[in-house]
Amino acid sequence: KAGVTQTPRYLIKTRGQQVTLSCSPISGHRSVSWYQQTPGQGLQFLFEYFSETQRNKGNFPGRFSGRQFSNSRSEMNVSTLELGDSALYLCASSPGQGKYNEQFFGPGTRLTVL
Amino acid sequence: KNQVEQSPQSLIILEGKNCTLQCNYTVSPFSNLRWYKQDTGRGPVSLTIMTFSENTKSNGRYTATLDADTKQSSLHITASQLSDSASYICVVSAQQAGTALIFGKGTTLSVSS
Repeated sequence: KAGVTQTPRYLIKTRGQQVTLSCSPISGHRSVSWYQQTPGQGLQFLFEYFSETQRNKGNFPGRFSGRQFSNSRSEMNVSTLELGDSALYLCASSPGQGKYNEQFFGPGTRLTVL
Repeated sequence: KNQVEQSPQSLIILEGKNCTLQCNYTVSPFSNLRWYKQDTGRGPVSLTIMTFSENTKSNGRYTATLDADTKQSSLHITASQLSDSASYICVVSAQQAGTALIFGKGTTLSVSS
């Protein structure tokens, strides 16, 4: 079974621009969660989509948004980029339900904002 | 406030030695606790997941324990190898609809020869 894929792997943008990141979950998984990882804050939860609906949301500003398509693929968008948005963005897929609902992470997209 | 605290922040050990990493949490209502291993530049990989009723779980040389009463967990690594050098992250899931995880900041383990 193919793992979680994220594209692009690396991205360089300038302040004020917007960016879209993509995540393809493991086949059969209906939940996709997005996380931001920085050296200072560690991993922080952005949001979770399940069957095309946002099911949970972390404490990030409205500049961060996402969506999920009918094939469970998900995109995350960040508008009006700030220097502080430089981070590793990880997505994780899971069945979305069940006792453990184990999450499998992708390799991440490294975003650098100049 | 839901929080996960890990200690130590970093650790250096010799190859072949054992070590134990600690995790304290204040997440309520508790659903499950996970330990992840993250190699530099890669996504985290799950090592163990434990629910309220499970107090120990092993995955090869990794053994996790959970004390739900004191809200503490530990990850014990036996006979360390150079490939164990990584960040180990404790993650707690709160009981609610969906998958909302609270992450610790991790313990960076360096295994030297």
